[in-house]
Amino acid sequence: KNQVEQSPQSLIILEGKNCTLQCNYTVSPFSNLRWYKQDTGRGPVSLTIMTFSENTKSNGRYTATLDADTKQSSLHITASQLSDSASYICVVSEGNEKLTFGTGTRLTIIP
Amino acid sequence: SQTIHQWPATLVQPVGSPLSLECTVEGTSNPNLYWYRQAAGRGLQLLFYSVGIGQISSEVPQNLSASRPQDRQFILSSKKLLLSDSGFYLCAWSVLGSYNEQFFGPGTRLTVL
Repeated sequence: KNQVEQSPQSLIILEGKNCTLQCNYTVSPFSNLRWYKQDTGRGPVSLTIMTFSENTKSNGRYTATLDADTKQSSLHITASQLSDSASYICVVSEGNEKLTFGTGTRLTIIP
Repeated sequence: SQTIHQWPATLVQPVGSPLSLECTVEGTSNPNLYWYRQAAGRGLQLLFYSVGIGQISSEVPQNLSASRPQDRQFILSSKKLLLSDSGFYLCAWSVLGSYNEQFFGPGTRLTVL
């Protein structure tokens, strides 16, 4: 069964600090992996998309890594801001219409 | 640019009442359209997807149904709501290519009492 597991489930850090969120997956076949940011009560917004051949991709203060051999991905947030408080969802695609979603990491940035 | 709208934003309905949620997309043609449900503390669950007018694929058995009367309109319906239908409903669209990247709408919060 295809699964995406994320850790930690929740995280609280001080404003300005860095953090790393983890994603492990068992989806096969693998096409691409995405990280989404979801503010409370809003729809998810894409941060990065990585294919099998890409092992890192950045979007401003967000940097995603992918190790397709170990089926792991991470999302690193640098110099966190209050607006980074949200849920971060790891999503893996088989290359068709179906995506497998993780349950997300709830990140809270405190001043 | 493309935009996606969902209506209504929030809804409180009694058990046994009907449901109609609407999703419309602007700025693109022939999109794939999706309905997801997000329960508290759980990942998004794909309910339906559509690759064209009148073409609906259902992912999970339930008392919900979907219709696509126009190219950029996707409707989620129920004849009789259950308590378990409460949740956050998200519509999304994608186009072929571009890794089938999906773009989500703002969502509808449904509470069934």
